[in-house]
Amino acid sequence: AQKITQTQPGMFVQEKEAVTLDCTYDTSDPSYGLFWYKQPSSGEMIFLIYQGSYDQQNATEGRYSLNFQKARKSANLVISASQLGDSAMYFCAMREFGMDSSYKLIFGSGTRLLVRP
Amino acid sequence: DADVTQTPRNRITKTGKRIMLECSQTKGHDRMYWYRQDPGLGLQLIYYSFDVKDINKGEISDGYSVSRQAQAKFSLSLESAIPNQTALYFCATSDIGGYSNQPQHFGDGTRLSIL
Repeated sequence: AQKITQTQPGMFVQEKEAVTLDCTYDTSDPSYGLFWYKQPSSGEMIFLIYQGSYDQQNATEGRYSLNFQKARKSANLVISASQLGDSAMYFCAMREFGMDSSYKLIFGSGTRLLVRP
Repeated sequence: DADVTQTPRNRITKTGKRIMLECSQTKGHDRMYWYRQDPGLGLQLIYYSFDVKDINKGEISDGYSVSRQAQAKFSLSLESAIPNQTALYFCATSDIGGYSNQPQHFGDGTRLSIL
């Protein structure tokens, strides 16, 4: 079964508008972390934001915020005031803090975001 | 200088050749990882290492081997490359510890094409 699901293969947003990228996850581990990475066309993986399963508040980092709904097992990324440079692939990933403590990241298939001028 | 350096950045080779991709890091992290990304898809874990004496298989280790030569160096080998191993390969590192909000830090990737 898919552990991380990103249901939007591609999305468009107008410059300066906000956009939400969806991510749902599946785990039975009570301790886990959720990460979002950005991959521009140049290929590198850029860390954006983190949410821990025990965090009481939604994470925010500048224009990025994470809408964490634990009961629904969703961790959607919200980008406010989109910029042309936000055009990229976005990956949601989960780290389970399980017995083997390997801290492996499990990635979703990604969402390609295109910001229109 | 980059914290996680991968070499080469690009490589084109032929079926059956032995290929080595190298990764070095200056972050002082104990844990290192190799991932593969196929076009339009997410990353899949090939191998990971907790330290120089601890190597573990990931989801897709068949056809690959690794070597942790030192804390800072982790290399990935394709013993006999085949075309469906054409992909973008990433090395990543993370620090040791318990419940941690520290992300994995990625290199810039190696684009490998096998003809």
